[in-house]
Amino acid sequence: AQTVTQSQPEMSVQEAETVTLSCTYDTSENNYYLFWYKQPPSRQMILVIRQEAYKQQNATENRFSVNFQKAAKSFSLKISDSQLGDTAMYFCAFMKHVGGHYGQNFVFGPGTRLSVLP
Amino acid sequence: DAGVIQSPRHEVTEMGQEVTLRCKPISGHNSLFWYRQTMMRGLELLIYFNNNVPIDDSGMPEDRFSAKMPNASFSTLKIQPSEPRDSAVYFCASSSLYRGNTEAFFGQGTRLTVV
Repeated sequence: AQTVTQSQPEMSVQEAETVTLSCTYDTSENNYYLFWYKQPPSRQMILVIRQEAYKQQNATENRFSVNFQKAAKSFSLKISDSQLGDTAMYFCAFMKHVGGHYGQNFVFGPGTRLSVLP
Repeated sequence: DAGVIQSPRHEVTEMGQEVTLRCKPISGHNSLFWYRQTMMRGLELLIYFNNNVPIDDSGMPEDRFSAKMPNASFSTLKIQPSEPRDSAVYFCASSSLYRGNTEAFFGQGTRLTVV
């Protein structure tokens, strides 16, 4: 079974600074997808960024970028120019791609609570 | 599209009662997931449907839990009878995973309280 690990339960960063959240995963699969989700106090799960394992280029979305190291099974999230609205729980997620049954085992890590300080 | 829609947003029920949670996935998405979120256990995958067919229900905690997806636009998660330890936030998510295009979005969740 696939597992996702986030080793930082809590982190804080000063507004306008850069922060990196860590994520590692365990799988024997070659084709899969990785995601970062943000959950603010409103509890809504918001998709931040996604990465297909077959793509070598790291995904970027405005201030958010990832460092995808397939061999090391590492998928970290970098938030640049942190804003107060970035304060939230951040979850790393893994989705397996197996034949015609896409998306089996869409599993999440335990989350990292990020606080952006003014 | 309005996104993934869950109802109700909040549910308070007495122990032993039947509870039904509802989900409308994003039109065109072919996969649907039900999750339970608690402080102790985080986000747990309960069941997954692909093209309306249940693929993996190994996360369903007990026989008291059941899920159905009668068509591509509707799914239910039922707990009968409910117990206080079922209190949690239940999320529904839908996804489209065609080659070269992946996305997975969540509903706003249902906060269930069983007293």
